[in-house]
Amino acid sequence: AQSVTQPDIHITVSEGASLELRCNYSYGATPYLFWYVQSPGQGLQLLLKYFSGDTLVQGIKGFEAEFKRSQSSFNLRKPSVHWSDAAEYFCAVAMYSGGGADGLTFGKGTHLIIQP
Amino acid sequence: DGGITQSPKYLFRKEGQNVTLSCEQNLNHDAMYWYRQDPGQGLRLIYYSQIVNDFQKGDIAEGYSVSREKKESFPLTVTSAQKNPTAFYLCASSMAGEMSPQHFGDGTRLSIL
Repeated sequence: AQSVTQPDIHITVSEGASLELRCNYSYGATPYLFWYVQSPGQGLQLLLKYFSGDTLVQGIKGFEAEFKRSQSSFNLRKPSVHWSDAAEYFCAVAMYSGGGADGLTFGKGTHLIIQP
Repeated sequence: DGGITQSPKYLFRKEGQNVTLSCEQNLNHDAMYWYRQDPGQGLRLIYYSQIVNDFQKGDIAEGYSVSREKKESFPLTVTSAQKNPTAFYLCASSMAGEMSPQHFGDGTRLSIL
């Protein structure tokens, strides 16, 4: 069965510093990977996705992620964080059958705190 | 603007009652999903539907029911059989096909009185 692990429950970063959020997945086939962000009491917003091709993908809000098949990882990065980046971040892998998308398997999330 | 509308934003249920959470989308998406979110647990899939009049159980379907009579609508009923219904419920939709990301509504928070 597929699974997603986000090893860090909380991460604290100073404003202006760089950020890396870790994500490891377990999936038998070629993974379709996503990063979502959630503000308190809100739904999820898609930051970026990886399906195939270039292993470094660019997303919205200055985020990027690198797919490393050998390490089963899909880490999210940002060179300089802003106070507005404080939120919950979720990594997810898509499940598909012959009929289409069967849903997402999510990690448990990483809570990002920004220090002034 | 196109999007996913979940209502109500907050919902309270008495013990033994069924409640229905609404999810409507005007994105012309084929597939719709329901997830449950608990603190520290991430999101878990309850039910999903790839086409009208068809749906499948997800990982935690017990105590829930759904219907998909229209493409735009995918209501979720939390039945009295669900012993721990207090949670944040998120609805999502996507186009058919493998390369379509899911778009999420703003959620409904269900609490037990």
